[in-house]
Amino acid sequence: GAGVSQTPSNKVTEKGKYVELRCDPISGHTALYWYRQSLGQGPEFLIYFQGTGAADDSGLPNDRFFAVRPEGSVSTLKIQRTERGDSAVYLCASSSKGGRADEQFFGPGTRLTVL
Amino acid sequence: AQSVTQLDSHVSVSEGTPVLLRCNYSSSYSPSLFWYVQHPNKGLQLLLKYTSAATLVKGINGFEAEFKKSETSFHLTKPSAHMSDAAEYFCVVSDHNDYKLSFGAGTTVTVRA
Repeated sequence: GAGVSQTPSNKVTEKGKYVELRCDPISGHTALYWYRQSLGQGPEFLIYFQGTGAADDSGLPNDRFFAVRPEGSVSTLKIQRTERGDSAVYLCASSSKGGRADEQFFGPGTRLTVL
Repeated sequence: AQSVTQLDSHVSVSEGTPVLLRCNYSSSYSPSLFWYVQHPNKGLQLLLKYTSAATLVKGINGFEAEFKKSETSFHLTKPSAHMSDAAEYFCVVSDHNDYKLSFGAGTTVTVRA
């Protein structure tokens, strides 16, 4: 079956611009996660959705970052007034329920470059 | 708060020889521990996970890991490396009842022919 997909695969933008990154989770998965992977580092947690609601957004670095999941499926990560430090690979994952040790399936990521 | 330390940033092995990737963890509660692999331009794939059952965990592609509470370690091994094992490997921890994964910095594995 289809895995987690993310679009675009690459995004180049200029400092100060607004960007949206999309994630399509595995069908039927209620839990969705966003992580950010900077160069040479492991992914870092950003936000967790259970259904339509953000159950935990404690990893979002500041109020320029926002994510939605209006129908409990597709999610969009939105970054306002992008900065060069936002350059990273943004990973999306989904899992069937979201409980402890529930396997998270990762998408290939969106590589964001802010010039 | 939980964290992991991967003791080697890069490991190089010859094809057919054993692979050892070292990981130490820190956790306030009974942790769940994972190893993920990331091949170039592909998504992270779960190799194996420990969730307080058997301390020796077998995963895909011949990998296994042993949970040692006394040493707070969760090292990953494979008896015989294959060229296709060349990738980035991440040790990951989550705390009890926690969905947040905390990743180590990763270990790059190179396999020499």
